[in-house]
Amino acid sequence: GAVVSQHPSWVICKSGTSVKIECRSLDFQATTMFWYRQFPKQSLMLMATSNEGSKATYEQGVEKDKFLINHASLTLSTLTVTSAHPEDSSFYICSASLAAGAAYEQYFGPGTRLTVT
Amino acid sequence: GDSVTQMEGPVTLSEEAFLTINCTYTATGYPSLFWYVQYPGEGLQLLLKATKADDKGSNKGFEATYRKETTSFHLEKGSVQVSDSAVYFCALRHFGNEKLTFGTGTRLTIIP
Repeated sequence: GAVVSQHPSWVICKSGTSVKIECRSLDFQATTMFWYRQFPKQSLMLMATSNEGSKATYEQGVEKDKFLINHASLTLSTLTVTSAHPEDSSFYICSASLAAGAAYEQYFGPGTRLTVT
Repeated sequence: GDSVTQMEGPVTLSEEAFLTINCTYTATGYPSLFWYVQYPGEGLQLLLKATKADDKGSNKGFEATYRKETTSFHLEKGSVQVSDSAVYFCALRHFGNEKLTFGTGTRLTIIP
């Protein structure tokens, strides 16, 4: 159980276009979903935290107008990279949080490789 | 604020060698501690965790003990395999909080 999927697994887009990445919790309802960006030297950067039906909370330095997050349901969150540029090329990973009693477990998706040409 | 510090990588070992990846943390209170593993081209998977001082987390031959006195959670394995080649992340989370604080990750390569 507790599987998180991402779609697409990889995408190539042209500079100036927008691309949408989906994150789904397949067999549970997630209280919260997170979006991370992973840089070439492997470090993970938390971009934003999203809860169903409310606006995402962005980390400092992340442009909310560039990285649009929509959390339409308890099982789906989307990240849209608007007007993408080559510097947005990266590996984007989502995770979904499942309450386990008073604690939480975070389950990660397989990631989406975005290449902007 | 909270922070997690991991040993600098990359780490390259021969098969069957002993592995230690150091992790120390700075946080108030008693956070839960985690090790996640990321295999090439994949997302992160929980490897093991410990929720209180002196707890030992273990999985797939890996172990880590929550040391409150040294604020450490070092990852160890007695005999590594080529299939253990991956990036390892140490992380912490406070009780009742969903957000994880990650270290920078350590890339491990095992050569036959």
